[in-house]
Amino acid sequence: QKEVEQDPGPLSVPEGAIVSLNCTYSNSAFQYFMWYRQYSRKGPELLMYTYSSGNKEDGRFTAQVDKSSKYISLFIRDSQPSDSATYLCAMTDVQSGGSYIPTFGRGTSLIVHP
Amino acid sequence: GAGVSQTPSNKVTEKGKYVELRCDPISGHTALYWYRQSLGQGPEFLIYFQGTGAADDSGLPNDRFFAVRPEGSVSTLKIQRTERGDSAVYLCASSVRDGGEQFFGPGTRLTVL
Repeated sequence: QKEVEQDPGPLSVPEGAIVSLNCTYSNSAFQYFMWYRQYSRKGPELLMYTYSSGNKEDGRFTAQVDKSSKYISLFIRDSQPSDSATYLCAMTDVQSGGSYIPTFGRGTSLIVHP
Repeated sequence: GAGVSQTPSNKVTEKGKYVELRCDPISGHTALYWYRQSLGQGPEFLIYFQGTGAADDSGLPNDRFFAVRPEGSVSTLKIQRTERGDSAVYLCASSVRDGGEQFFGPGTRLTVL
C-alpha cells in the first residue's frame, strides 16, 4: 500500500459543477498538506496548502483536512473548462521533525466539459 | 521569464547511452529538487540540493544516477547506461529556502528505446 492514495479518474463533470477531489494517507506524522494542479506537459503548480486539520478557502477552491480519518479533500466550486487538469495531493511531515520533501499522490485527472 | 527552465524538453536515447538533463532554477533560490514522474503517477523525489551540496539523495534509484550543482545555481542530472525503465518525465523544482514553496519547471521527457 502506498503512503498516499488518490483515485486517478478521469473525473468528467459539466461546467458549473462542484468538484470533489480526495486523497487518503497512512502516515499519521503528515501535518502539512498541499494541492497541486498540473496541466498537460507542464510542471505542477501549487494551488493551496493547509497545516494540520481544518478548512481553508481561496476563491473557488476549498481544502479540507481530517487528520482523524487521514483524509484530505479539495473542492472546486463553479468549475470551468480551464480547470481541466490533473490534481495532485502532496504532504510532508516536516513539522514532526521529518522531511521537507513532499510525498505525492498519483493525481486525479479532471475534465470539465462546456 | 523568471521561472524554472529545463533543457532539453525532450530527449530520445538508446538503451545503454549516457544522458544529461539540465535545470536552471529561479534566480536566488537556494534549494533545488529533482523528481521523476512516470506516466499516470505523481512525482517521485530523487535528490535535493541546498546550495552546492546534496542535502538528501535518498531518492536516487541506483548508482547510475548522479546529480551536481557546482556553483549553487544550475544543476545537471546525469544518467549512465540508460535502461528502458528510466523513461519518464524528469522534473526540477526550486525554492527560495528549505521548505519553501517549490516552483516546478516543465520537465524533460526522456524516452529510452
